[in-house]
Amino acid sequence: DGGITQSPKYLFRKEGQNVTLSCEQNLNHDAMYWYRQDPGQGLRLIYYSQIVNDFQKGDIAEGYSVSREKKESFPLTVTSAQKNPTAFYLCASSAEGGLPTEAFFGQGTRLTVV
Amino acid sequence: AQSVAQPEDQVNVAEGNPLTVKCTYSVSGNPYLFWYVQYPNRGLQFLLKYITGDNLVKGSYGFEAEFNKSQTSFHLKKPSALVSDSALYFCAVRDMNDYKLSFGAGTTVTVRA
Repeated sequence: DGGITQSPKYLFRKEGQNVTLSCEQNLNHDAMYWYRQDPGQGLRLIYYSQIVNDFQKGDIAEGYSVSREKKESFPLTVTSAQKNPTAFYLCASSAEGGLPTEAFFGQGTRLTVV
Repeated sequence: AQSVAQPEDQVNVAEGNPLTVKCTYSVSGNPYLFWYVQYPNRGLQFLLKYITGDNLVKGSYGFEAEFNKSQTSFHLKKPSALVSDSALYFCAVRDMNDYKLSFGAGTTVTVRA
């Protein structure tokens, strides 16, 4: 089945540690996105990538880092510099070329700092 | 900077009544507009989109939305709401010259039996 896979579903981090959230897609999509969701604040864009080896900061990039070494993979690292990392993280992808498609979302990773 | 506003945190309707969820947007160029629905602890599911063409867009589960360029709005509507429509709804916008996809804060819809 084609889709986006985020792992793990739940993640616990100790303060001061870096953690990496995985996002893999087999839809052959060019664009990929990372969002953070907090209650009452909707989805806030962390980073997005149009093509391999290229990515742009979104609205809340501080304390996060990404890489895009392969078309199908867009991992997100939550660094110790992120002061309030507890949140629900969503990855998405969309096809480009001609008219764009809608974004397809993974099922999310819930990160909790303990 | 592009942005999306969903002015209502919550919308409550009775089953069988019309449902409207409001959305206004701001982009520098021409917009691509989307509606998504989210159920608890899940990812987002696509409902419908406006890319070009007819201003009235029909989507999944009986939902529709009308693109109004002069009012920069893209309100989601359903003629007869169901209890199963109770969920969190998000409006999103992209500028046609950029890949950045921005979402609103979301509107919680509750349909009572």
